[in-house]
Amino acid sequence: GIQVEQSPPDLILQEGANSTLRCNFSDSVNNLQWFHQNPWGQLINLFYIPSGTKQNGRLSATTVATERYSLLYISSSQTTDSGVYFCAVERFGNEKLTFGTGTRLTIIP
Amino acid sequence: EAQVTQNPRYLITVTGKKLTVTCSQNMNHEYMSWYRQDPGLGLRQIYYSMNVEVTDKGDVPEGYKVSRKEKRNFPLILESPSPNQTSLYFCASSLAWTSGYSYEQYFGPGTRLTVT
Repeated sequence: GIQVEQSPPDLILQEGANSTLRCNFSDSVNNLQWFHQNPWGQLINLFYIPSGTKQNGRLSATTVATERYSLLYISSSQTTDSGVYFCAVERFGNEKLTFGTGTRLTIIP
Repeated sequence: EAQVTQNPRYLITVTGKKLTVTCSQNMNHEYMSWYRQDPGLGLRQIYYSMNVEVTDKGDVPEGYKVSRKEKRNFPLILESPSPNQTSLYFCASSLAWTSGYSYEQYFGPGTRLTVT
């Protein structure tokens, strides 16, 4: 099956810092999503981004499908950004998302 | 309020005692799925359902059963739970599933299951 690798596995930053999270995948995909799992366990969909760039407030994401990676940018981090960020992909013809192992982000006040 | 609900939220049980985790959504979604989350492994899909009476295996279906008799409900059944099924379980739903197009996935709050 398709492999999804996220880096770094853990990231600790001071409030106000910027961060870049990376997602590499091993095969062509036609669907890529980023999720945030908050410290209480709730999973929230951040972006649907199989290619190109999208922005939503302080968050933005870029996927370069031909090179099989996606980046999630968080600017001016806040403590509420803490949690685990997952990327998930759908390989062509599959009816499901395959998740990466996540990046745990901790923002220190 | 649009939501996916799961019950129970926490469950401790013993090996071999059948259990059911319920999942219900109030958004008239066609697609529903179950995931388990384990440390270092991310989320792995157990089963999914494209619509009523249509279910299929995900990546880790062994030891689980599902049914989809109504659009809103998608229960997860563990006929004979074992300790390796101790995990955090999530139910999710989306309006539909069309390959290459994303409908937003809504996740339930999770069910933490411990099998002793």
